[in-house]
Amino acid sequence: GNSVTQMEGPVTLSEEAFLTINCTYTATGYPSLFWYVQYPGEGLQLLLKATKADDKGSNKGFEATYRKETTSFHLEKGSVQVSDSAVYFCALINAGNNRKLIWGLGTSLAVNP
Amino acid sequence: DGGITQSPKYLFRKEGQNVTLSCEQNLNHDAMYWYRQDPGQGLRLIYYSQIVNDFQKGDIAEGYSVSREKKESFPLTVTSAQKNPTAFYLCASSMTGGETQYFGPGTRLLVL
Repeated sequence: GNSVTQMEGPVTLSEEAFLTINCTYTATGYPSLFWYVQYPGEGLQLLLKATKADDKGSNKGFEATYRKETTSFHLEKGSVQVSDSAVYFCALINAGNNRKLIWGLGTSLAVNP
Repeated sequence: DGGITQSPKYLFRKEGQNVTLSCEQNLNHDAMYWYRQDPGQGLRLIYYSQIVNDFQKGDIAEGYSVSREKKESFPLTVTSAQKNPTAFYLCASSMTGGETQYFGPGTRLLVL
């Protein structure tokens, strides 16, 4: 079946450090891949997405590349800020799964000044 | 401004009581969803609706009910049959056939 695995948190970084949050997936066919972000006490917001292999999604300094050969969609940012502290969710949607979003468990990021 | 609203922000339920969480959207989206979020468990789908007057069970529908009488509204009732209702509830919507879901701010349900 379809599944998403994210690295466990919490991840704690100092401001201006480099961020990587790993995400790998299992799916049949060609899913679309997403990163959502949840700031404390709020709902989720779409951060970026990629719909086909080798696509790179980017937004607010975050990037992720759809790697079909490694079934991965790792989230990266070159220099994190305190305001990036949040929970990050990787997800996929697959036409063969009634188009329901399949979610990872989320990775909590804390950035210290 | 278009968006999704959820109310109330906090809701308290007494033993044996049914409570209803509101979700309204003015994005003209056909599809709407309810998720439950517990610490360390990510998001779990409760119910979803692709069109007015139609809805399907998600992965954890037991103890919950929904209705979809209007395109813009998708209320969720947490019934007394749901024995562990304490959680953060998130409503989302998307265009028909669309992949991106847009989320409301959530309702936190607590049991007295």
